[in-house]
Amino acid sequence: SAVISQKPSRDICQRGTSLTIQCQVDSQVTMMFWYRQQPGQSLTLIATANQGSEATYESGFVIDKFPISRPNLTFSTLTVSNMSPEDSSIYLCSVGAGRYQPQHFGDGTRLSIL
Amino acid sequence: GDSVTQMEGPVTLSEEAFLTINCTYTATGYPSLFWYVQYPGEGLQLLLKATKADDKGSNKGFEATYRKETTSFHLEKGSVQVSDSAVYFCALTPLHITQGGSEKLVFGKGTKLTVNP
Repeated sequence: SAVISQKPSRDICQRGTSLTIQCQVDSQVTMMFWYRQQPGQSLTLIATANQGSEATYESGFVIDKFPISRPNLTFSTLTVSNMSPEDSSIYLCSVGAGRYQPQHFGDGTRLSIL
Repeated sequence: GDSVTQMEGPVTLSEEAFLTINCTYTATGYPSLFWYVQYPGEGLQLLLKATKADDKGSNKGFEATYRKETTSFHLEKGSVQVSDSAVYFCALTPLHITQGGSEKLVFGKGTKLTVNP
């Protein structure tokens, strides 16, 4: 399976600032996904990122708050903008190997906002 | 819409006990089903999968069988170890026959397992 590296692994940020999370994969993949895991909760899909096209956002998530880039088949970034304490979560990227195949996840970015 | 329901946790067992974590789902068509595990401070790891009815996924002593008639995918292990302490997530990727399917993962709320020596 693909090896997925996320940076940073954790960060503590000030209210009102923005943070960009990077996701690097060791092989070319068509689909990359960004999830949020709020404290003690399950995972919620933020958006799906395909190379060369705009990301597709799930209900409740907007591009202005979570802009995503997907410049090539091995890399994506998620920015958490104008952060507030409610954005304190683990953010995970994953890659898909096609329909019926499981997604594989990075170790996540643990984000705390003061 | 598509959804996954897991048994409420936390679950606390003694080492070598039998484990069952219940998972039921609601989906149109024929979803693929997965169990993921999250060890403390880590990301998610795929534990096992099943893509069609009556498939049995297995890995590291864990098993789950895709039961379409009961829309269930219960996770079992005959003898748990302390190292199995983690949060377990049941998940599905919906497949809507009329819409051609989706790769979106829908997760249950997770079940925290603690195994004591």
